[in-house]
Amino acid sequence: GAVVSQHPSWVICKSGTSVKIECRSLDFQATTMFWYRQFPKQSLMLMATSNEGSKATYEQGVEKDKFLINHASLTLSTLTVTSAHPEDSSFYICSAVAAGELFFGEGSRLTVL
Amino acid sequence: GQQLNQSPQSMFIQEGEDVSMNCTSSSIFNTWLWYKQDPGEGPVLLIALYKAGELTSNGRLTAQFGITRKDSFLNISASIPSDVGIYFCAGQLYSNSGYALNFGKGTSLLVTP
Repeated sequence: GAVVSQHPSWVICKSGTSVKIECRSLDFQATTMFWYRQFPKQSLMLMATSNEGSKATYEQGVEKDKFLINHASLTLSTLTVTSAHPEDSSFYICSAVAAGELFFGEGSRLTVL
Repeated sequence: GQQLNQSPQSMFIQEGEDVSMNCTSSSIFNTWLWYKQDPGEGPVLLIALYKAGELTSNGRLTAQFGITRKDSFLNISASIPSDVGIYFCAGQLYSNSGYALNFGKGTSLLVTP
């Protein structure tokens, strides 16, 4: 199947700093990518839909100024958590569609101290 | 997004036993999917269901899409230790968001040798 790769897998940062997470489609082009957040022992919650060449679409309750999404190319979407706080600590997972199937990245574990 | 009710929350079984888990929703979905997530990893698709009443198998896994399109079950036969993980159901509506999914809360499966 298609491969979606995230980087970094783990990141620890100080409160107030910004963190960028990359999501790449390695062997296919993705005009649309999805960003999910998963708290411990919880389900995946859709945060936003990333669209190549246009603005992302955010789900209700997700602050667009805090979670900046840039879909700069057909193989890369980035999620920047700005001014991160401990409550932003979570597992962030991206996904993209290839041949009608949704493939997920490995996830990025963010810990904000 | 629409709420998916997944049960049971967790299961602790012996190797060789059969397992059954299910999901219900108050809303109709176009597609129903079952994913498995290992710790620290992104979800991996197990089975996708597209038609009401559809029964699909993938090795020891069997899943069915309810006639009303509001429910689904996943069975695992003759469980083995590597079946350990969290199983998520996910409903998909075709919309402007394309392939965005609504996830259940997950069923945590533990298998003892």
